[in-house]
Amino acid sequence: GAGVSQTPSNKVTEKGKYVELRCDPISGHTALYWYRQSLGQGPEFLIYFQGTGAADDSGLPNDRFFAVRPEGSVSTLKIQRTERGDSAVYLCASSSDRVHEQFFGPGTRLTVL
Amino acid sequence: GENVEQHPSTLSVQEGDSAVIKCTYSDSASNYFPWYKQELGKRPQLIIDIRSNVGEKKDQRIAVTLNKTAKHFSLHITETQPEDSAVYFCAARGNSGGSNYKLTFGKGTLLTVNP
Repeated sequence: GAGVSQTPSNKVTEKGKYVELRCDPISGHTALYWYRQSLGQGPEFLIYFQGTGAADDSGLPNDRFFAVRPEGSVSTLKIQRTERGDSAVYLCASSSDRVHEQFFGPGTRLTVL
Repeated sequence: GENVEQHPSTLSVQEGDSAVIKCTYSDSASNYFPWYKQELGKRPQLIIDIRSNVGEKKDQRIAVTLNKTAKHFSLHITETQPEDSAVYFCAARGNSGGSNYKLTFGKGTLLTVNP
């Protein structure tokens, strides 16, 4: 079946603008995760959804970041008032439940000018 | 929280040689240790994983060993091929405070296999 997909693949924006990044998990996967990967680093956890609810948002860096998953499938990561330091690859992953392997999407490369 | 250290940061080997990447973790309650391979500009892909009730796991040319007492685990690739060239990440899934879903990653190892 289809893997995790993310759109857009690349996003260039100006400092101060608002962006939305979308993730389509593998069909039937109830667990969804967002990670952020800076150049030369491993992915860093941002937020975890089990179904529609954010079970753990402790990795979100500040209140400019917010994520939703209203129907328990597609998720959107929203960043307000973007800053240059937000530039990174944002990765989404899903798993059939929280204890099984996580499958990653191709990521969205965000560049804030 | 969990902390994962990975070494070396870069590794260059000749085709056919073996490669070993080592990781240590801090949370003794961690119970799941996956390894991901990431080619340039691509998504991380799971290549092998091990759970804390197992000491070693093999899949063809790839093996992972786990030492729970010392809190370290290693990836072994034998008979390396140029297509093994990529960045490899180890990760640990902690279990502190019930957070048995969050992966903490090492900083990665850039493996180059020279033909």
